[in-house]
Parts: sequence; structure tokens; C-alpha cells
Amino acid sequence: GQNIDQPTEMTATEGAIVQINCTYQTSGFNGLFWYQQHAGEAPTFLSYNVLDGLEEKGRFSSFLSRSKGYSYLLLKELQMKDSASYLCAALDSNYQLIWGAGTKLIIKP
Amino acid sequence: GAVVSQHPSRVICKSGTSVKIECRSLDFQATTMFWYRQFPKKSLMLMATSNEGSKATYEQGVEKDKFLINHASLTLSTLTVTSAHPEDSSFYICSARGNGDTEAFFGQGTRLTVV
Repeated sequence: GQNIDQPTEMTATEGAIVQINCTYQTSGFNGLFWYQQHAGEAPTFLSYNVLDGLEEKGRFSSFLSRSKGYSYLLLKELQMKDSASYLCAALDSNYQLIWGAGTKLIIKP
Repeated sequence: GAVVSQHPSRVICKSGTSVKIECRSLDFQATTMFWYRQFPKKSLMLMATSNEGSKATYEQGVEKDKFLINHASLTLSTLTVTSAHPEDSSFYICSARGNGDTEAFFGQGTRLTVV
């Protein structure tokens, strides 16, 4: 079956770095997305990886290893506004998104 | 990125009535639209996928006669919750994808409360 695993909740300190991991098993693979979702709001796009390696966008970076079925989202210089849920989603062979349950990130001062 | 507008953002309706939610792609042609439902503290649950001009494909367990989806144009899809019940109260989100694109863009979501 198809499955996405990511931690349920993580806590980090303002100004620090946090890495949110995601492992996936899908029927075919056409890329992996990370979305940020604040409570009561729709998800917003953060990154898309289809090739192995690290993609950096400002304070956020996303890494993909296709051979390991593994990705991570790295958040640097954490700010209080980064408190949100982070959703990992893999695009399968039919170009359907398979969603993880999301990781709730709590930032403490 | 592309813009997807979802309307209304919040709606309260009485049990037994129907509610229509609109999802519009403002600056691209959305050949495929996805409708999701999200329960508190849970991830998105795909309800159905619709391609412009075709009948929607519903996920297992989703009642197609209760959740009517119409994708009549390349910029508009609607979800109608018929004969709403309190258990239909949820956060409904649409996303849209253009032909050949991999990324889907999300609407703002609609919080439905059935009283």
C-alpha cells in the first residue's frame, strides 16, 4: 500500500534549527512536496523535490533521497511564526498526492 | 505561484439544507481539481478528483450523491453538500492543477458548520 510517515509533533526553540523527516512508500514516484499549514488555514506550498539532493530557499531547505524513500524539511533561524503543521506529500505514478498526517511544530521562546 | 480562490471562507447552515462551495483558478486553466476534507488535528482526506468536462472520481467511502462535484469549466469547480448534517461540519479545501503541471495550488478553505 501507499504510506507516508512523519512525526506527529516536534518542539524547538526560537532561533534554532529543526529537521522534520518524512518517509514514503508509493506506487511510482513523481516528486515530493512540503506544505505549511497554520491552524484554520489552507496549506501553503513550501517546496517540491523530484531529484535527489538538497534544495535551499531562504530559511527553509528540503532534501530528497529517492533510493531511501526519504525526505526532510530543514528550518533554520526559527521564528515564532513558524509554529504550524508541516505536511509531507508524495506524488504517485498517477500524479495523485499521497499525504502524511502532518507534523505539528511548536516553537518556544 | 498561481492563485486559487475558494468561496465562501465560512458558512453556517441548518441541517437538511444544501451548501455550495466554489473553487476558482484565477490565472491558469485548472484541468484537474481536488476536493479535500480535513478534520481537526488530522491530515487532508481526499474526497474526489475532477477533470474538466468529466464526472468526478470519488474516493472510497465518499458518498457521491451527498457531495456533488461539478467541474464544468477550466476555471471553476463546485462542491455541493446536500442535505447537510452536523457530522458534515468540517474544513473543506480545494486544490487545482494545470495540464502537465505537478504542483497543485490550494484555495483558502471553507469552514462549514451545520447546526
